[in-house]
Amino acid sequence: GAGVSQSPSNKVTEKGKDVELRCDPISGHTALYWYRQSLGQGLEFLIYFQGNSAPDKSGLPSDRFSAERTGGSVSTLTIQRTQQEDSAVYLCASSPPPGTVKYFGAGTRLSVL
Amino acid sequence: QQQVKQSPQSLIVQKGGISIINCAYENTAFDYFPWYQQFPGKGPALLIAIRPDVSEKKEGRFTISFNKSAKQFSLHIMDSQPGDSATYFCAAVSGGYQKVTFGTGTKLQVIP
Repeated sequence: GAGVSQSPSNKVTEKGKDVELRCDPISGHTALYWYRQSLGQGLEFLIYFQGNSAPDKSGLPSDRFSAERTGGSVSTLTIQRTQQEDSAVYLCASSPPPGTVKYFGAGTRLSVL
Repeated sequence: QQQVKQSPQSLIVQKGGISIINCAYENTAFDYFPWYQQFPGKGPALLIAIRPDVSEKKEGRFTISFNKSAKQFSLHIMDSQPGDSATYFCAAVSGGYQKVTFGTGTKLQVIP
């Protein structure tokens, strides 16, 4: 595809369940970012990947959140034991080096009941 | 701690008018200031950006004004159109890998 692809587009889960959110970046983009957007709020930085390594995980809210990236491409954000406060839109972005974040996916809307 | 403060939260402008959104920052390490436009159900898209060594950048109907001494910058949308109705985020970038810190967003509605 031409853009950043995220799946699923919507996810409804029960409190306490684990969820996995997937991001397919634009081919060749070495930088990948995860952000979280809560209703009426700005975008909160979660984690940054350069290739397969994550030099900045400072935005992950708790140890229930983890992310990995494989093959310098696909990334998965995992939330364990989901809580209602995890409900938000999770956005992925990718960028070629150098340059700022240009290309966001449409996001995964997570609802924790 | 909000590193980039954005106002107003919402804005209603008549078609043909000028929309103005303001942002302020504290961290002098920021060295690049992009604006993003987000339509409902979509991810943000980079709209226009400026470096702090210039005071103004214009692209079509969109202009960024930058005041380095005041640590403030603003987006002006000239001849606003209903198609401009969206949420606008200012942002600031620092660090070698271009970490983006976003403002809280302004929901713009342009009425016919």
